Amino acid sequence: DAGVTQSPTHLIKTRGQQVTLRCSPKSGHDTVSWYQQALGQGPQFIFQYYEEEERQRGNFPDRFSGHQFPNYSSELNVNALLLGDSALYLCASSSGHLSYEQYFGPGTRLTVT
Amino acid sequence: KNQVEQSPQSLIILEGKNCTLQCNYTVSPFSNLRWYKQDTGRGPVSLTIMTFSENTKSNGRYTATLDADTKQSSLHITASQLSDSASYICVVSDNAGNNRKLIWGLGTSLAVNP
Repeated sequence: DAGVTQSPTHLIKTRGQQVTLRCSPKSGHDTVSWYQQALGQGPQFIFQYYEEEERQRGNFPDRFSGHQFPNYSSELNVNALLLGDSALYLCASSSGHLSYEQYFGPGTRLTVT
Repeated sequence: KNQVEQSPQSLIILEGKNCTLQCNYTVSPFSNLRWYKQDTGRGPVSLTIMTFSENTKSNGRYTATLDADTKQSSLHITASQLSDSASYICVVSDNAGNNRKLIWGLGTSLAVNP
C-alpha cells in the first residue's frame, strides 16, 4: 500500500524562477492538500484539490497555483519565486474533501537563492 | 479568532524520563483534535485523534488527554527514547461545514538526550 509520495526531495531555484512540485496521494485517496512550512514554524495551508478542482484556499497569493489530475495526483506551481518561498512543502492526502484524516508525504525542501 | 497555542516552545529531557506537552485552543465550533509528531525535514505523522466526547487516547507510550470544557489538551510521553526527539504539533479541526479547516499550533520541539 503506497503512502503519499512527493518529488523532488530537494530543489534549489533562483529568485524570479518558477517551480513545480509533485504529489501522489496514498492509495485509495482522492483529495490532496498542500502546505508550506517555514523553518521552525507550523505548516500553513495553501490549498486543497478534490475532483480536479480547488476546493479551499489559504492566505497565499496567486503566484501559488495547483492542479489535480484524473489519477488524483497533484502539482503545486509557484511563479516569480521570492526568497521567502524557501520552505518545506508538504502534501497531504485524504479520502474525500471533508475528511479530517490526512496522511502526509515526506515533503519537498525548496531553497530559493 | 480560531487559535491553537502550545507550550512549552521547546523542551529538553533525559532518556527514560516522562514529559507532558500542552495545547490550548480557541476553535469553534470544535470537531476534533489531533497530535502529530514531525521529525526534522519530514512530514507530520499522526499520533492520536480525539473527538469532543473522548477524554483520553493512547498510542503506545503516547497518551493524549482532552478537556473540551477548558479547551485544553495534553500529550504525555512515557519512558522517553532518543527517537522521540521531534516536533510535536497540536492540530484542531473546526466543524464549519464545507469550509472546515485545520488550525495548526506552532509545535513543541522536544529533545531527548542520552
